[in-house]
Amino acid sequence: QKEVEQNSGPLSVPEGAIASLNCTYSDRGSQSFFWYRQYSGKSPELIMSIYSNGDKEDGRFTAQLNKASQYVSLLIRDSQPSDSATYLCAVNRSGGSNYKLTFGKGTLLTVNP
Amino acid sequence: DTGVSQNPRHKITKRGQNVTFRCDPISEHNRLYWYRQTLGQGPEFLTYFQNEAQLEKSRLLSDRFSAERPKGSFSTLEIQRTEQGDSAMYLCASSEYYEQYFGPGTRLTVT
Repeated sequence: QKEVEQNSGPLSVPEGAIASLNCTYSDRGSQSFFWYRQYSGKSPELIMSIYSNGDKEDGRFTAQLNKASQYVSLLIRDSQPSDSATYLCAVNRSGGSNYKLTFGKGTLLTVNP
Repeated sequence: DTGVSQNPRHKITKRGQNVTFRCDPISEHNRLYWYRQTLGQGPEFLTYFQNEAQLEKSRLLSDRFSAERPKGSFSTLEIQRTEQGDSAMYLCASSEYYEQYFGPGTRLTVT
């Protein structure tokens, strides 16, 4: 089982719709969870972090975390063509000196005008 | 806050040559990370510094790879005797705590 799994997509949604991106992780000791957006040829850009079970909202983005199910998701409301990118889920075990992130392969999102 | 910077942005080298990349983190960040990303994959962790101490190295980091952060500020990543399999985007990130911010990356092409 891969440490962090994402549906590679592509996920295609119409402009104005809600895009739902999912991620599962295998390490039950994981404590910190992040979503990065990566445009083609660019580096990852941090868009959301979540540390506790439940929902966290920031503008059009909502991150959801369920540690019991080892599941984290990202909802993008009112999707715009500029949201078209690869979305990377990243997980950190935290604690001690371990700060490294483990990434999924990413989900390619296409928002159609 | 000028963000994380990396130089060079692109590097083309011949197999067997040595290359060195530089990363300047966000000024107040004491943690610095190197990752490698190939096409269609997420970034893979290479190594991590807290101040000048290298605290963790991935087994991906073979003997040909070495990283330094001599004064706890900028860092360098050197690859000796490059191989075609080293072709990738090399990403640097920095953090104050858990949230890591990436630089623009250095794209290495080994011919």
